[in-house]
Amino acid sequence: DAGVIQSPRHEVTEMGQEVTLRCKPISGHNSLFWYRQTMMRGLELLIYFNNNVPIDDSGMPEDRFSAKMPNASFSTLKIQPSEPRDSAVYFCASSFSRPGGNEPQHFGDGTRLSIL
Amino acid sequence: GEDVEQSLFLSVREGDSSVINCTYTDSSSTYLYWYKQEPGAGLQLLTYIFSNMDMKQDQRLTVLLNKKDKHLSLRIADTQTGDSAIYFCAETKWAGGYNKLIFGAGTRLAVHP
Repeated sequence: DAGVIQSPRHEVTEMGQEVTLRCKPISGHNSLFWYRQTMMRGLELLIYFNNNVPIDDSGMPEDRFSAKMPNASFSTLKIQPSEPRDSAVYFCASSFSRPGGNEPQHFGDGTRLSIL
Repeated sequence: GEDVEQSLFLSVREGDSSVINCTYTDSSSTYLYWYKQEPGAGLQLLTYIFSNMDMKQDQRLTVLLNKKDKHLSLRIADTQTGDSAIYFCAETKWAGGYNKLIFGAGTRLAVHP
């Protein structure tokens, strides 16, 4: 079975440019998470979607960051304009959530983003 | 994450057992997780334990949970070079509608001959 698929795997761009990261969750999963990983701050949850609806976006750093989930099989994380401090590895994860349940999150391989 | 603490580095000899320790803060965590991250890859779920259990064994992996001390450990028997990676402990925290994962900073396991 295919896992969580992220694209691109690597992105290098100049500051000020728009960056779009993409994620395809595991089929049948109804929860999707975007994380950012840096040496300084470790793994941080940016946003959580359930049934395509954003539930918790308290981790989104600032207005330059936005995320969408137009359907159950696709999500994007956009940074506009990008800044060097946005350089990090961005992970998407998905799980199946049900009331009272706590299914594990499955992670994609990440997008390594470098802003010059 | 400041809520979950792990030692940053562990070095073991091939064939020995590895023990990675973790302390967490939320006594209401329902599940606790261990993830493995190899270079350039995402986090791979290794195992998890429900909070009403003390121990879980899965082949070479043994998870021990001490709820009183909020201490979690992962033991890897017969450690191999392929076990070299970063291991993350994670607790679940109720975030007003869903269970949020709070990760530790990760323990880098180095396996040498």
